[in-house]
Amino acid sequence: DAGVIQSPRHEVTEMGQEVTLRCKPISGHNSLFWYRQTMMRGLELLIYFNNNVPIDDSGMPEDRFSAKMPNASFSTLKIQPSEPRDSAVYFCASSPGGDETQYFGPGTRLLVL
Amino acid sequence: SQQGEEDPQALSIQEGENATMNCSYKTSINNLQWYRQNSGRGLVHLILIRSNEREKHSGRLRVTLDTSKKSSSLLITASRAADTASYFCALRPANNLFFGTGTRLTVIP
Repeated sequence: DAGVIQSPRHEVTEMGQEVTLRCKPISGHNSLFWYRQTMMRGLELLIYFNNNVPIDDSGMPEDRFSAKMPNASFSTLKIQPSEPRDSAVYFCASSPGGDETQYFGPGTRLLVL
Repeated sequence: SQQGEEDPQALSIQEGENATMNCSYKTSINNLQWYRQNSGRGLVHLILIRSNEREKHSGRLRVTLDTSKKSSSLLITASRAADTASYFCALRPANNLFFGTGTRLTVIP
């Protein structure tokens, strides 16, 4: 099992640019979560999907952030336009359901200059 | 707040010693989970304890849960240098997990 796959692993961009982060969950998992981790705020849940449907996006910071899950094997998190305060590590996690143990990807380290 | 608070924030011990980390919370939960994060990596699930359980073991890990005090502890016995990582408790009140800020454990060889 390949685990949760995220790409890119590192992204450096300039303020104002569009950033797209990608995630492939573990096959058969029906829940997918996007988190952001910073030193100041810790690990924050941005949005989660159940069976490809967004369930709770209350953690999305503002309209510059959007997430999609067009099918069970792919999700994107987009930031447009990006700002320096968006610099963080973004994690995707998936879960098979039930007790909701989550399996995390390796993360995307984003730096917005 | 639905997040847990870990205590201590940082812990440094010698290899072979036991490490104890605590998590306190304020909300009602269905279960509580502990995760480990090595530097630069994603979180890895360690153990889950349900609200009707009081203690659970997994290898060198022992987790306790006291729902009356709204607290949990994670004990790592006979620590190894490879246990150096950040440890997070995660609360599941409903459908989401809420992560605390973590305990940074350093095991000195």
